[in-house]
Amino acid sequence: NAGVTQTPKFRILKIGQSMTLQCAQDMNHNYMYWYRQDPGMGLKLIYYSVGAGITDKGEVPNGYNVSRSTTEDFPLRLELAAPSQTSVYFCASSSGTVSSYEQYFGPGTRLTVT
Amino acid sequence: KQEVTQIPAALSVPEGENLVLNCSFTDSAIYNLQWFRQDPGKGLTSLLLIQSSQREQTSGRLNASLDKSSGRSTLYIAASQPGDSATYLCAVRPRTHHSGAGSYQLTFGKGTKLSVIP
Repeated sequence: NAGVTQTPKFRILKIGQSMTLQCAQDMNHNYMYWYRQDPGMGLKLIYYSVGAGITDKGEVPNGYNVSRSTTEDFPLRLELAAPSQTSVYFCASSSGTVSSYEQYFGPGTRLTVT
Repeated sequence: KQEVTQIPAALSVPEGENLVLNCSFTDSAIYNLQWFRQDPGKGLTSLLLIQSSQREQTSGRLNASLDKSSGRSTLYIAASQPGDSATYLCAVRPRTHHSGAGSYQLTFGKGTKLSVIP
């Protein structure tokens, strides 16, 4: 049971380039999330999904897109990278009811845009 | 808007000491509160989850309490060890009356960086 996995661990992008951050979970969780963590700040929600085919925006969605074609995978797409997107990105998943579920996090992807 | 504050931002204690980390939140309408540990360059590890109806949760040397009415939670670490050195994050799930991101996102504090000195 690997839990939540993310690839790549590190990436450097040039301004204007695109990339996809991969996230997968093997716990059969319905809910999945993408957060970003900036230095000295709390994590902020980018996008979330309540099941395959269903996604919605979080607090800071601009510049990102997501898809959820399977229960296991929840990739995050950056279309035109900007320096403001330099951050550490965490994927998480959870199951259970809205009132009780616990979120489990992946190891993160450290992205630098120059 | 829910805000979560963790004080102090950093704490250094000698090995073996018992310690308390503090978390406060501005809106008592929450589903639950979760404490995480984050090691440098690593992801978040869930330590304890307290439901809004609960007063405390325990796991090994860790005990987390919740006083929802006053908007406070504490994480008590007994007999601290150098391996406890990490950043500890507190997060709440706001209770909302509508669907959307507010029902699902966690609101995080900025964390307390703990150093346990051998």
